[in-house]
Amino acid sequence: AQKVTQAQTEISVVEKEDVTLDCVYETRDTTYYLFWYKQPPSGELVFLIRRNSFDEQNEISGRYSWNFQKSTSSFNFTITASQVVDSAVYFCALSDVYSGAGSYQLTFGKGTKLSVIP
Amino acid sequence: SAVISQKPSRDICQRGTSLTIQCQVDSQVTMMFWYRQQPGQSLTLIATANQGSEATYESGFVIDKFPISRPNLTFSTLTVSNMSPEDSSIYLCSVEPGKGEQFFGPGTRLTVL
Repeated sequence: AQKVTQAQTEISVVEKEDVTLDCVYETRDTTYYLFWYKQPPSGELVFLIRRNSFDEQNEISGRYSWNFQKSTSSFNFTITASQVVDSAVYFCALSDVYSGAGSYQLTFGKGTKLSVIP
Repeated sequence: SAVISQKPSRDICQRGTSLTIQCQVDSQVTMMFWYRQQPGQSLTLIATANQGSEATYESGFVIDKFPISRPNLTFSTLTVSNMSPEDSSIYLCSVEPGKGEQFFGPGTRLTVL
């Protein structure tokens, strides 16, 4: 069965520090997708990135970067020069169960609460 | 992307009553998903709703407790029946418009007294 582990329950950093959020996943499928979502205090889920299992290239988007390593089944997320607005709960998710009509359901990790202190 | 709205945004309900949550999408999608997020917890999939067929429920969730309707390609409802305080959660609907990005509604915050 698929599983996503985010070992870090809570992290606190001082503004402008870099921070890495860890995500380790388990799946028996060779085709799957990995996601990161941000949930700020307001509660909505904000999509950050989707990566498929055949694309191990690291990705950078502004201050955000993602390191996907199939050898260690990890998909870590780094925020560079953190800002107070980055304070949120971050969820890593795995999609490998086909729901039909081109859609896959998500399995979420427990989330990491990031607090950026001014 | 897809824009999703949910109604109500929040509600406080009495034990034993039922609440129906509506999810509206701005585009036609085949599959819609309903998730539950209990306080301080992660998201758990309740069911997958395909237009024109019965919803598929995950282990631990049953149709009698969480009946779902999917009358067309832009709308779905989730009913939380015979509520108890343990049902206090955020309920979210989501869609995957077909490009692999799954988008979520703003959620419905339910408190059961």
